[in-house]
Amino acid sequence: SYVLIQPPSLSVAPGKTASLTCGGNNIGSKSVQWNQQRPGQAPAVVIYYDSDRPSGVPERFSGSNSGNTATLTISRVEAGDEADYYCQVWDSSSSHWFFGGGTKLTVL
Amino acid sequence: EVQVLESGGGLMQPGGSLRLSCVASGFTFKNYAMSWVRQAPGKGLQWVSGLSGSGVSTYYADSVKGRFTISRDNSKNTVFLQMNSLRVDDTAVYYCAKQRTGLVETPIDIWGQGTLVTVAS
Repeated sequence: SYVLIQPPSLSVAPGKTASLTCGGNNIGSKSVQWNQQRPGQAPAVVIYYDSDRPSGVPERFSGSNSGNTATLTISRVEAGDEADYYCQVWDSSSSHWFFGGGTKLTVL
Repeated sequence: EVQVLESGGGLMQPGGSLRLSCVASGFTFKNYAMSWVRQAPGKGLQWVSGLSGSGVSTYYADSVKGRFTISRDNSKNTVFLQMNSLRVDDTAVYYCAKQRTGLVETPIDIWGQGTLVTVAS
């Protein structure tokens, strides 16, 4: 089993920068995906392969991954960014996908 | 438009069986791996099972191994999740997801809207 740790919540004011972290043992050696889930909706991918953005995702969303921490950074936060964010990795030793517990981002 | 659409959810008693379906459109289905991910009420996401594009390689979470079976019919652009010996803790919204290549270990790029499975007596 591979454990991913995310802070349960994060609050940020509009226009500021949100940094959401995902901790895991040597996660820097794995490829991280970030999923956004707005209230009442299905998840949607915002970052894959650590830092790639799907088409349609604003450039305000960026990702990084090194050592034991992966980070999703949202610049110039907007009200519409309020959502739960889940990190996700493939663990090759167990051939399983694992999700972090999710961070609820609140825009003040 | 690339999309996947789940169906088959419902209310089941513990110990019962249910088969979920996920119909894909807008892409060459046989070239892509597919996964099922679930979300219990008020909880986070949990990967359940994955299947390669060829249908040869299957993977299961420990919590469902031996009870759930993933399969696909590439002629019908459909992936299935057969769920047997259902338990109360299988209650969740089940999402179908398309992966970026034919390998399960590649990232998801498309999520479905989900289908609710409720297991209760």
